[in-house]
Amino acid sequence: QSVLTQPPSVSGAPGQRVTISCTGSSSNIGAGNDVHWYQQLPGTAPKLLIYGNNNRPSGVPDRFSGSKSGTSASLAITGLQAEDEADYYCQSYDSSLSGCVFGTGTKVTVL
Amino acid sequence: EVQLLESGGGLVQPGGSLRLSCAASGFTFSSYVMSWVRQAPGKGLEWVSVVSGSGGVTNYAASVKGRFTIARDNSKNTLYLQMNSLRAEDTAVYYCAKKPTGTMGWFDPWGQGTLVSVSS
Repeated sequence: QSVLTQPPSVSGAPGQRVTISCTGSSSNIGAGNDVHWYQQLPGTAPKLLIYGNNNRPSGVPDRFSGSKSGTSASLAITGLQAEDEADYYCQSYDSSLSGCVFGTGTKVTVL
Repeated sequence: EVQLLESGGGLVQPGGSLRLSCAASGFTFSSYVMSWVRQAPGKGLEWVSVVSGSGGVTNYAASVKGRFTIARDNSKNTLYLQMNSLRAEDTAVYYCAKKPTGTMGWFDPWGQGTLVSVSS
């Protein structure tokens, strides 16, 4: 029952730039609630990638960046590397549901 | 180093109960909101429940409200999830996660997860 919509998959060659969109509504992203992003490598727990729309935790390469506008947000990966193959999820807070909501998830494939 | 270690998962019949635990270390447990998030096999992430630092305020996803209960024992640095009336659709890996800035914020870090399988 994901409230935030992401493309199922994106792909790119090594070194390329890919973007992942996250579309919400007026009760979550559009309400001014922050968007956060997670990376989930195969068989592992999710890891925080971007917090507060565009902030990187210590240790996350600056190839990853986030942005937010209106009812949507985006994650960009520049200089794509093989190790970036993973599932990516956006997350926000929904004021109507009074709870956190996740995106549907996007699988990134490095060609 | 912050560490979260879940336990208590396993195979349970529909209608049964299970209690998950999450042992926390490396931070002042009682100062932080904690949460459970689950992931069904091959599916995306779903927020399940959240509890305040004192344990006095809780909230649940509609899909588990009335069946699951979140609790914490700050003297033991442990988070719990009591799951009753389990259904096949509750089958998932359950992760506990710390919420550094409160209920509305992000999850960081996450535990390694514990698998709950509901089947006859």
